[in-house]
Amino acid sequence: KAGVTQTPRYLIKTRGQQVTLSCSPISGHRSVSWYQQTPGQGLQFLFEYFSETQRNKGNFPGRFSGRQFSNSRSEMNVSTLELGDSALYLCASSLGQQFQNTEAFFGQGTRLTVV
Amino acid sequence: AQSVTQLGSHVSVSEGALVLLRCNYSSSVPPYLFWYVQYPNQGLQLLLKYTTGATLVKGINGFEAEFKKSETSFHLTKPSAHMSDAAEYFCAVKRGNQFYFGTGTSLTVIP
Repeated sequence: KAGVTQTPRYLIKTRGQQVTLSCSPISGHRSVSWYQQTPGQGLQFLFEYFSETQRNKGNFPGRFSGRQFSNSRSEMNVSTLELGDSALYLCASSLGQQFQNTEAFFGQGTRLTVV
Repeated sequence: AQSVTQLGSHVSVSEGALVLLRCNYSSSVPPYLFWYVQYPNQGLQLLLKYTTGATLVKGINGFEAEFKKSETSFHLTKPSAHMSDAAEYFCAVKRGNQFYFGTGTSLTVIP
């Protein structure tokens, strides 16, 4: 079956702009999580959505937001971009909290560069 | 609080040598533990996971890991390194539906 699909793969934006990243989870997966990966900070958890509801949120400013649609597809938005937002953004899908022993499946990521 | 510590941000081994990547976790209850691998500009791929049962877990590409509760460790090993094993490796613990990742270990394989 198809894996996790993230679009676009690469993105270049200017400071102050906003950006929307998309993630389509594996069919049947209702949980989608987002992570930011940078060389200095490693993998940092942004937020998690399950059945269109945000259940967990990491320690990021309000400029970072997300949503999940009824088909489990998710988007994350970053407003007023800063240079420090340059990172690889990874989306992960999983069955959900009731399946705690299951792994998350990651997309290939969106490489965001802010100039 | 859940956390994972990976000892050694960079590990170099010769081709054919043993690979040992270290991971220690802190958890007040038996955790769910995972090892992921990441190749450049790619997402994370699951190598193996420990949930319950056998403490020696076998994964893909010849990797395995042993869960040692007494040492709160989950080290990753492979008997013989291949050039294709060069990548970044992440240990993770899962609580609820959130993963807590270590800072990663970059593996270099020397020909």
